[in-house]
Amino acid sequence: AAGVIQSPRHLIKEKRETATLKCYPIPRHDTVYWYQQGPGQDPQFLISFYEKMQSDKGSIPDRFSAQQFSDYHSELNMSSLELGDSALYFCASSSSEGQGLPIAYNEQFFGPGTRLTVL
Amino acid sequence: AQSVTQLGSHVSVSEGALVLLRCNYSSSVPPYLFWYVQYPNQGLQLLLKYTTGATLVKGINGFEAEFKKSETSFHLTKPSAHMSDAAEYFCAVSASYNTDKLIFGTGTRLQVFP
Repeated sequence: AAGVIQSPRHLIKEKRETATLKCYPIPRHDTVYWYQQGPGQDPQFLISFYEKMQSDKGSIPDRFSAQQFSDYHSELNMSSLELGDSALYFCASSSSEGQGLPIAYNEQFFGPGTRLTVL
Repeated sequence: AQSVTQLGSHVSVSEGALVLLRCNYSSSVPPYLFWYVQYPNQGLQLLLKYTTGATLVKGINGFEAEFKKSETSFHLTKPSAHMSDAAEYFCAVSASYNTDKLIFGTGTRLQVFP
């Protein structure tokens, strides 16, 4: 079965540089979520999109922005990178189709993550 | 606000022994509860979830968890540990009805010794 695809899998940047992470959801999934997992820490919710509109926002720095495109893939743009941005960035996707249930029931399927290292 | 507390950042068991990973939650509304497993250098994989209905939920790989509202707990168990169970386990909660973002606990690293 198709899974969530994230690219690149590894990324090394210098401080103050920019980075773009990409996420390709499972086909027919309309919702995308971004999480940040620092070294030895739990994943922290950053932002989510449903049908190309931002649906929820967590602890995402102002230096970061994200969007979901017409083909439902999403990109997380990170500017003025700091050492503390080094982390594993997960994308997850879910489908709201045919559930008829409260939104939180939609299972999130996670990608393998992009490991960002800021030097 | 919701939160999750996982007691014990590291748990070690012998192969064949009972696995018990503890999770307590705080939520002002009926919660949805999840356990995820993360193998080294991999993404999060859903083990099991509780939404409504039966409080004892069974997941993949022989794991199960029981939702106990009175104790605000959702502990994960497996009767007999296998070497392949060694991984990081995360408990997560989301508020029912109005949000789908997950709030994760700090994780428990399970080691299984032969």
